[in-house]
Amino acid sequence: EDQVTQSPEALRLQEGESSSLNCSYTVSGLRGLFWYRQDPGKGPEFLFTLYSAGEEKEKERLKATLTKKESFLHITAPKPEDSATYLCAVPNYGGSQGNLIFGKGTKLSVKP
Amino acid sequence: DVKVTQSSRYLVKRTGEKVFLECVQDMDHENMFWYRQDPGLGLRLIYFSYDVKMKEKGDIPEGYSVSREKKERFSLILESASTNQTSMYLCASSSPGVSETQYFGPGTRLLVL
Repeated sequence: EDQVTQSPEALRLQEGESSSLNCSYTVSGLRGLFWYRQDPGKGPEFLFTLYSAGEEKEKERLKATLTKKESFLHITAPKPEDSATYLCAVPNYGGSQGNLIFGKGTKLSVKP
Repeated sequence: DVKVTQSSRYLVKRTGEKVFLECVQDMDHENMFWYRQDPGLGLRLIYFSYDVKMKEKGDIPEGYSVSREKKERFSLILESASTNQTSMYLCASSSPGVSETQYFGPGTRLLVL
């Protein structure tokens, strides 16, 4: 069964302290890996899609990278407004096309 | 920008009531999805639809039904609400073929008393 595992579950950083979030997956023939940001009480907001190993995408202080087995979301010099839960997802190969399997997320807290 | 809207942000209902949650998207997406999100359990797929009048069960369809009479609108129905259906409900839409990126609505927090 396809699995998406995110680590750590929670991460506390000081403002300016760079770090990385991990998303590992056990699917073959990856058709894409998706990163979302979710603020408390709101719906997930799309950040990035990565399609092939070696691909990188950036948005402000965030950079997502992809290998054959995992993806990293690097956060450089984070600010308190980066505090959120970050979700990753991959297509559900065992199910109908269009479905995504989501990890349980990493809750990031950035203290000033 | 893709916009997905949900009919209510917060809803309080009594056990046994019939509950309708509505979702509308403005990007002409074929696919629409309903999830529930609970602490520690993540996002779980309830139902999805690939086209008007089509529906398929997700991972946790029990106690729910859906309706898709128009392409832009996807409704989730709780036939007889129960306390264990208290949750955050999220609607999403996507367009097949180009990308499987799903775009989410703001969510409906449902409390069943």
